[in-house]
Amino acid sequence: NAGVMQNPRHLVRRRGQEARLRCSPMKGHSHVYWYRQLPEEGLKFMVYLQKENIIDESGMPKERFSAEFPKEGPSILRIQQVVRGDSAAYFCASSRLAEKYNEQFFGPGTRLTVL
Amino acid sequence: DQQVKQNSPSLSVQEGRISILNCDYTNSMFDYFLWYKKYPAEGPTFLISISSIKDKNEDGRFTVFLNKSAKHLSLHIVPSQPGDSAVYFCAASVYGNKLVFGAGTILRVKS
Repeated sequence: NAGVMQNPRHLVRRRGQEARLRCSPMKGHSHVYWYRQLPEEGLKFMVYLQKENIIDESGMPKERFSAEFPKEGPSILRIQQVVRGDSAAYFCASSRLAEKYNEQFFGPGTRLTVL
Repeated sequence: DQQVKQNSPSLSVQEGRISILNCDYTNSMFDYFLWYKKYPAEGPTFLISISSIKDKNEDGRFTVFLNKSAKHLSLHIVPSQPGDSAVYFCAASVYGNKLVFGAGTILRVKS
């Protein structure tokens, strides 16, 4: 029973390039959440998605960041024209459908470094 | 706007003794609280949770206590083991949706 999968684990980009981070939720989970952890800080919520729908994107920066969770395939967090301040660990979590109290299970994270 | 606060950046405990990690919150709408453990370069691992209708939940060596009137929760680990050394995050949510995390507490268990 595989857990939440994220790839790549490490990603290096130069300023101005695009970063694509992928997340495959646990089997049977249809809710996906993305969080970002800056150095020396806790995790900060970015976006919550269900299949083909963005439910809550209140934590997403208004520009350059987008997320999707297509009917088939992994969830993608896309960062366009990366800047040094985007360097962080990005974690994906998933939970099961339709439960009031949902534990969220996290993947190992993608560590993005912007040069 | 820190809705969830872990005021102790670090805690050091002797092996076999009790570890108590504390967390305070400000948003009275939170109805679900969770504790996660995190090792360096790994994702957070779910430990234990509690809903706002309870004041205690126990799972093996881990017990979480919730004091709604004080907006305070704590995680007790008894007995503490060296393998418990990690960063512990408190998190809260409204209706099981997005989690709001504290800044974490580094626990060191000395053998």
